[in-house]
Amino acid sequence: EDQVTQSPEALRLQEGESSSLNCSYTVSGLRGLFWYRQDPGKGPEFLFTLYSAGEEKEKERLKATLTKKESFLHITAPKPEDSATYLCAVQPLNSGYALNFGKGTSLLVTP
Amino acid sequence: ETGVTQSPTHLIKTRGQQVTLRCSSQSGHNTVSWYQQALGQGPQFIFQYYREEENGRGNFPPRFSGLQFPNYSSELNVNALELDDSALYLCASSKDRTYEQYFGPGTRLTVT
Repeated sequence: EDQVTQSPEALRLQEGESSSLNCSYTVSGLRGLFWYRQDPGKGPEFLFTLYSAGEEKEKERLKATLTKKESFLHITAPKPEDSATYLCAVQPLNSGYALNFGKGTSLLVTP
Repeated sequence: ETGVTQSPTHLIKTRGQQVTLRCSSQSGHNTVSWYQQALGQGPQFIFQYYREEENGRGNFPPRFSGLQFPNYSSELNVNALELDDSALYLCASSKDRTYEQYFGPGTRLTVT
């Protein structure tokens, strides 16, 4: 059965304190892995898609990487406006085109 | 370019009633997916519509049904509402089935 596990569940950082969020997945075959950001009461905002092990993508202070078993979202020198829940989702090869989400990591960046 | 829109924003219904939620996809997108997100959880896939046909369904009972129209907008219908149906309902559209999905703001449904 396909599984997505995100850790930690919650993370509190001081402004400027870099860290990484983890997304571990188990799928029989991976079409793509997606990262989203979600603010309270709003819909998820698309950040990145990764398709194969070794791939990396960057956007401002965020960098996503992918291995065969997990993905990391690195946050460099975060600011308070980076506070949000970060969701990881996989799209398996053999189960249509649905996204299978983890529960997310709630990030709080304090000044 | 207009993003994904959903209506209504909030809705309160009584157990046993029926509800229809609406979604307008982003311009140029032919695929719409619906998700249910309970508090503190990740979104759960309900179903996907591609060019007006259902193209996959998650583990939801038949009282969850949907439609996609020729302009690629979509509806989610839920019959015989239960208390556990209270959640944020998210619609996402994509350029095609394999592309990244862009989410709307969601409809907050409360069942009392």
